[in-house]
Amino acid sequence: NFMLTQPQSVSESPGKTVTIPCTRSSGSIASNYVQWHQQRPGSSPTTVIYEDNQRPSGVPDRFSGSIDSSSNSASLTISGLKTEDEADYYCQSYDSSNDEVVFGGGTKLTVL
Amino acid sequence: QVQLQESGPGLVKPSETLSLTCSVSGGSISSNYWNWIRQPPGKGLEWIAYIYYSGSTNYNPSLRSRVTISVDTSKNQFSLKLSSVTAADTAVYYCARGYGDCVDSWGQGALVTVSS
Repeated sequence: NFMLTQPQSVSESPGKTVTIPCTRSSGSIASNYVQWHQQRPGSSPTTVIYEDNQRPSGVPDRFSGSIDSSSNSASLTISGLKTEDEADYYCQSYDSSNDEVVFGGGTKLTVL
Repeated sequence: QVQLQESGPGLVKPSETLSLTCSVSGGSISSNYWNWIRQPPGKGLEWIAYIYYSGSTNYNPSLRSRVTISVDTSKNQFSLKLSSVTAADTAVYYCARGYGDCVDSWGQGALVTVSS
């Protein structure tokens, strides 16, 4: 079993760039794809990044994903921040050894 | 574009069984796997279980003893039953599609409150 750890909160100003990390506790981050889900207040989650760095259609290219094997982490980067980006962001992966879906604890992004 | 919609009672009494159904439209349930995920008020996402169209299942170990998930391919639906509920099971319950390592295509969510 592994855990995905995210900071509880991050904040940044409109127009700036923010990066949200997601660290895998054991096993290689590259072993399983990482997804990122955005949840605006009062709404259900939507996927903004899948398979580490792929954007679903309709997601602006201000959103990008990456993985870093040296830190065993995935990251979501949002550039040109807008107030509408204010939301909770969850990383998600899959534990192949136990066939379980794994979520990070979520990061609240404040754009102020 | 596949769409998912949860349905079921919004209020369940303690010790009873919570039952929800997810209806899938815009695509066949006979591919991918199908998840139940919940979110207690003010908290994060917790994966509950998934089922393949074939009926093969897997469960979160912390909930395994109380969870049953089933699929009805003729209706393009899958269902969740959670027994012996307590106030700690109060949450928004989401259904979502899964493929490979990925979860996507979330339902709108159904708030279930456990209270007498």
